[in-house]
Amino acid sequence: GIQVEQSPPDLILQEGANSTLRCNFSDSVNNLQWFHQNPWGQLINLFYIPSGTKQNGRLSATTVATERYSLLYISSSQTTDSGVYFCAVLRGGSNYKLTFGKGTLLTVNP
Amino acid sequence: KAGVTQTPRYLIKTRGQQVTLSCSPISGHRSVSWYQQTPGQGLQFLFEYFSETQRNKGNFPGRFSGRQFSNSRSEMNVSTLELGDSALYLCASSPRGDRVAEAFFGQGTRLTVV
Repeated sequence: GIQVEQSPPDLILQEGANSTLRCNFSDSVNNLQWFHQNPWGQLINLFYIPSGTKQNGRLSATTVATERYSLLYISSSQTTDSGVYFCAVLRGGSNYKLTFGKGTLLTVNP
Repeated sequence: KAGVTQTPRYLIKTRGQQVTLSCSPISGHRSVSWYQQTPGQGLQFLFEYFSETQRNKGNFPGRFSGRQFSNSRSEMNVSTLELGDSALYLCASSPRGDRVAEAFFGQGTRLTVV
C-alpha cells in the first residue's frame, strides 16, 4: 500500500516563530488532507489539498502532486498551535480509506 | 450543521467483554469510515460503509465488525475484548464516499480494556 512519511517527528518552537511540516507519499493520490489533533483527540480539518496552494489565516499548505509531497506552513506560531499534525492521503483506485502519516508533534513554548 | 457525533466518549470494559460504538455522520453524508489510533500503530483504517454496504476493510481480526443503517448512522462492535484493543476509535464521514471527497472526523471514543 501507499506509504506516508511526515517530518520532522517532533518540533519545538518559541511563540512567534515560523515552521514548515512536510509530508511525503509514495504514490499518486486523489485526496490529501492535513489535520490537527486537539488534546481531546479530535482531528480538526486544516486543509483539503490534493494539489496547489491554499491559505487560511496563519496557516498555508502546498501540495506538489507530481513530486509527491505536501508542506504545511505555520507562521507566527501560538501556544494554541501545539499538538499533533497529521497528513492523510487517499490513493486512486481504492475506496474511501485514508492512509495517515505518523504525525508531527509540535510544541510551542510561550 | 452538526458535526460527526460519536458516543460514548469514554468507555471502560473488561477483557472478554464486547463493546458497541456509535457514529452519527454529518447530515447528508453517506460514507462512514472507522479508524483505530494507538500510540504504537498510529491511525489505522478499520472499515468503510456506504449506503449500508461495507466497501473496504482493514487488516483487523474478525472480532471487529460494523454496520451502517439506512439513515447513515454506523456502529462498530468489538467482541471478546483484549487489552490491546485499548485505543481511541475515530469515525469519519464524507458526503459522497468517493476518492476526492473531504473527510470529517468525530471526537472519538476512548476505549480502555482492563
